[in-house]
Amino acid sequence: AQSVTQPDARVTVSEGASLQLRCKYSYSGTPYLFWYVQYPRQGLQLLLKYYSGDPVVQGVNGFEAEFSKSNSSFHLRKASVHWSDSAVYFCVLSPLTSGGNYKPTFGKGTSLVVHP
Amino acid sequence: EAAVTQSPRNKVAVTGGKVTLSCNQTNNHNNMYWYRQDTGHGLRLIHYSYGAGSTEKGDIPDGYKASRPSQENFSLILELATPSQTSVYFCASGLGDTQYFGPGTRLLVL
Repeated sequence: AQSVTQPDARVTVSEGASLQLRCKYSYSGTPYLFWYVQYPRQGLQLLLKYYSGDPVVQGVNGFEAEFSKSNSSFHLRKASVHWSDSAVYFCVLSPLTSGGNYKPTFGKGTSLVVHP
Repeated sequence: EAAVTQSPRNKVAVTGGKVTLSCNQTNNHNNMYWYRQDTGHGLRLIHYSYGAGSTEKGDIPDGYKASRPSQENFSLILELATPSQTSVYFCASGLGDTQYFGPGTRLLVL
């Protein structure tokens, strides 16, 4: 079984502050991990993904995430947020199945509110 | 050009009626997915497909059917709609591990 937990339903920060959105996963095999963002009244867009190698991966718009196997985590970070980063962020686990395809599992999402 | 489109964008249906949500992709991706998004639940996988003619049950398939008649099209069918199926539905296509999402369909079942 696979699962994703985003413990914070809502995070509020001031513009210019640093940000960390938390994600914990449960999966016995090799995790393929993603962060997607959903802006108001839109579909989801890929921010970044991790397969293997360097545990810190860079994404779009200054976002990065760090994978930790020992902690089963994949936290998203940004050094300085902008009001336009206000959105819902989803952590996704999508491992390769025995059939050679991917079956994704989404976290419940974290709503980020950036105050100007 | 939007690569994943959904129709209709908004739908009001009556309880017990049949609803068909359509998804079209021009990415030529093998994989397609249907999700519903509800407050407090995130996105939950209903059905998915790895190619034309194939459909697989996701995590919450009850009350839904899916059809993949071609590479480009993937439909979600509610044979007997219920108010509990009121939600926002997203379609996505994927080649390998990355998904590309449509804009969503808001469904209200009265």
